[in-house]
Amino acid sequence: GDSVTQMEGPVTLSEEAFLTINCTYTATGYPSLFWYVQYPGEGLQLLLKATKADDKGSNKGFEATYRKETTSFHLEKGSVQVSDSAVYFCALSPVRSNYKLTFGKGTLLTVNP
Amino acid sequence: EAQVTQNPRYLITVTGKKLTVTCSQNMNHEYMSWYRQDPGLGLRQIYYSMNVEVTDKGDVPEGYKVSRKEKRNFPLILESPSPNQTSLYFCASSLRREGGADTQYFGPGTRLTVL
Repeated sequence: GDSVTQMEGPVTLSEEAFLTINCTYTATGYPSLFWYVQYPGEGLQLLLKATKADDKGSNKGFEATYRKETTSFHLEKGSVQVSDSAVYFCALSPVRSNYKLTFGKGTLLTVNP
Repeated sequence: EAQVTQNPRYLITVTGKKLTVTCSQNMNHEYMSWYRQDPGLGLRQIYYSMNVEVTDKGDVPEGYKVSRKEKRNFPLILESPSPNQTSLYFCASSLRREGGADTQYFGPGTRLTVL
């Protein structure tokens, strides 16, 4: 079945550091790929998404590129802020099945001033 | 404001006492889902619904029931809760879109403790 593997946390960075959170997936065909973010005490919010190979999703300075050849969707940000502290989830939605998301286990990011 | 609401937000109950967690969305979305979030396991889908009166099992459906009598509501029912159902529960909804994935919108979560 489909699965998502993401970098184990927690990740602790200083403000303005570069962030990478690795995500790889196993799925049939070309699933859609997502990064969701969960701030403390809140529900999940979509951060960015990509629906086909080589697409780049971007939002709030975060970026991720859909790499079919490596089945990856790594999240990057050039300069993190304290307000980026949250749990980040990589997820996939099977082809033509946007009623279901398969999530990775989540990566806790803490950014210190 | 477009949103998914859940009630209650927090619930402590005892083993075997039936409970219902409500979920409502005001975006006219066809698809709705329930997930549970557990430490080290991420989110796992419990049940989903593709439209009124159409529901199906997700990855971890045991011990849960759902119904979809109206498009906006998708309650989660625990007929006889057990301690292993202690978890954080999220409802989500999304539009039905041909050939591609649409964003799922999540509710704020319901933290359930079963003693």
